[in-house]
Amino acid sequence: GAVVSQHPSRVICKSGTSVKIECRSLDFQATTMFWYRQFPKQSLMLMATSNEGSKATYEQGVEKDKFLINHASLTLSTLTVTSAHPEDSSFYICSAPGEDLLHEQFFGPGTRLTVL
Amino acid sequence: LAKTTQPISMDSYEGQEVNITCSHNNIATNDYITWYQQFPSQGPRFIIQGYKTKVTNEVASLFIPADRKSSTLSLPRVSLSDTAVYYCLVGERTSGTYKYIFGTGTRLKVLA
Repeated sequence: GAVVSQHPSRVICKSGTSVKIECRSLDFQATTMFWYRQFPKQSLMLMATSNEGSKATYEQGVEKDKFLINHASLTLSTLTVTSAHPEDSSFYICSAPGEDLLHEQFFGPGTRLTVL
Repeated sequence: LAKTTQPISMDSYEGQEVNITCSHNNIATNDYITWYQQFPSQGPRFIIQGYKTKVTNEVASLFIPADRKSSTLSLPRVSLSDTAVYYCLVGERTSGTYKYIFGTGTRLKVLA
């Protein structure tokens, strides 16, 4: 099956700094990717839809200036958490839809962000 | 608002069959039903997908009644390693994009 990778898998940063998380589709192209965040013991919350060559679409309540998304190529989307604060500490997961018609999505392994 | 409703948690014993039912009353005609498994600190992993009737693969079966307003994931003879959260997902098409909104999921605990 298709593989989605994320880098880094884990990052610790100081409050006020910015952190970039990469999401790559390794063996297929993805014009659309999705970014989720997940707090402990909770479900995944969709943050935004990343669109190759155009602006991302953010879900209601997600600050677009806080969570910058760039989809520069057909295999790479990046999420930058700007001016990170401790409350941004979470598990960030990306996904990309497969190329077939069955609407399956392939999820990355996730990135654990800890803001001190 | 999540499009699916599942039990929050379930307990089972090793070797038993586990059935997790999901309600999706507002499923659209073109929507597929997909189930994912998630272990702590990992991304969700695809288990099975179906549109109607019954689908079976090497790890699970998916039963979908004719009205498609619910579905049941069946895990035969679970083991301790099946302890995880299971999500039932129905896609949501908006502005040409097909995306998933996650519900609560079902936290399955398999006991020895």
